[in-house]
Amino acid sequence: QSALTQPASVSGSPGQSITISCTGSSGDIGHYNLVSWYQQHPGKAPKLIIFEVTKRPSGVSSRFSGSRFGDTASLTISGLQAEDEADYYCCSYAGGTAFVFFGGGTKLAVL
Amino acid sequence: EVQLVESGGGLVRPGGSLRLSCEGSGFTLSSGWIHWVRQAPGKGPKWVARLKSDGSNTPYVDSVEGRFTVFRDSAKNTVYLQMNSLRIEDTAVYYCARGVYDRHFDLWGRGTLVSVSA
Repeated sequence: QSALTQPASVSGSPGQSITISCTGSSGDIGHYNLVSWYQQHPGKAPKLIIFEVTKRPSGVSSRFSGSRFGDTASLTISGLQAEDEADYYCCSYAGGTAFVFFGGGTKLAVL
Repeated sequence: EVQLVESGGGLVRPGGSLRLSCEGSGFTLSSGWIHWVRQAPGKGPKWVARLKSDGSNTPYVDSVEGRFTVFRDSAKNTVYLQMNSLRIEDTAVYYCARGVYDRHFDLWGRGTLVSVSA
């Protein structure tokens, strides 16, 4: 079983936009429209912010958006705010007995 | 309030056992798919196991197959993770999460820490 690949860290200034990539394979991200993204603040549980590649749960800011091209999914956060500083994890369904994989996580710093 | 609350974590020696609990409130656990996900210190989450609403077909990640068991007590609205033959590499925060099938996880508990050490 292999994890999804994310950059270890990204940073941006308040008001800017950033994008976090998540690279998988044709067996997971490239095959299923089942990519989700989670935000995790230190010591807290993960929070769902994007599901099925592009959908936002009720209550999640429209500043968060998701996309996919081939085997790579992306999370874009626009209009960065201080409270966006957190760890972000991508996740994809992989089918069969592999089930669900998470990425290694990306630490977002809002400078 | 709809929430999940885990308990039962702690320090255990290699080879020991622990039983984690995941109690639901505000909704009926048996109506949903409940997953266990763990997160080792400084690492990304890793899916561990899942219990479907009908209790059938409970898969486990290869590294815990045969050692961990997921089951439910509907009267207590609680799902359990029985962990036997614990290894040092099982050390992690264990979360239970409500799954929209196996697609994504829309509700998480706050987690319980399991430390396996001699």
